[in-house]
Amino acid sequence: AQKVTQAQTEISVVEKEDVTLDCVYETRDTTYYLFWYKQPPSGELVFLIRRNSFDEQNEISGRYSWNFQKSTSSFNFTITASQVVDSAVYFCALSAVNFGNEKLTFGTGTRLTIIP
Amino acid sequence: DSGVTQTPKHLITATGQRVTLRCSPRSGDLSVYWYQQSLDQGLQFLIQYYNGEERAKGNILERFSAQQFPDLHSELNLSSLELGDSALYFCASSVGLVAGGETQYFGPGTRLLVL
Repeated sequence: AQKVTQAQTEISVVEKEDVTLDCVYETRDTTYYLFWYKQPPSGELVFLIRRNSFDEQNEISGRYSWNFQKSTSSFNFTITASQVVDSAVYFCALSAVNFGNEKLTFGTGTRLTIIP
Repeated sequence: DSGVTQTPKHLITATGQRVTLRCSPRSGDLSVYWYQQSLDQGLQFLIQYYNGEERAKGNILERFSAQQFPDLHSELNLSSLELGDSALYFCASSVGLVAGGETQYFGPGTRLLVL
């Protein structure tokens, strides 16, 4: 069975601070993919990143960076110099790579509030 | 804009009724997924279709059914509605070339309120 844990239910930081959202996953599969999605107050789910289990290189995209550590089954997300527009619920998700089990298993989400 | 469209955006109905939610995937995507987001259950996978055929089933109630049509749009039918069915229903699509791991792009969701 697959499981994604986002232990931080809510985080509030002052604008321009850095913030890290934690994600821990469980899976028996050797090949899998990890994702982050953003859900702003408007409600849609916006894709942020996809990472496969064989690629442990960290990734940076503008103010966003992701740290994937297979040894600790973690895929953490850091926002540098946070902005009010970053306020949203962020979901970490896991997908297996096998026929008939292609669903995304989501964590419970972390609500991030950026205080101006 | 993900390219996935869902209608209607909002739906208010009464207990015992039946509703149909509609989804059009991104152009070229063959796989369609349905998810339910509720306060108590979070984001839960319901069902997946690939090129018209059911491919995977999750925690979908027997009162719910879905199908994918030849033009690849999909419909989720919810019947004998209960208060607890009130939720945000998302449709997502992916290319469908490989079995899992593809990025799923989500539509804006249909917010269902059962009174």
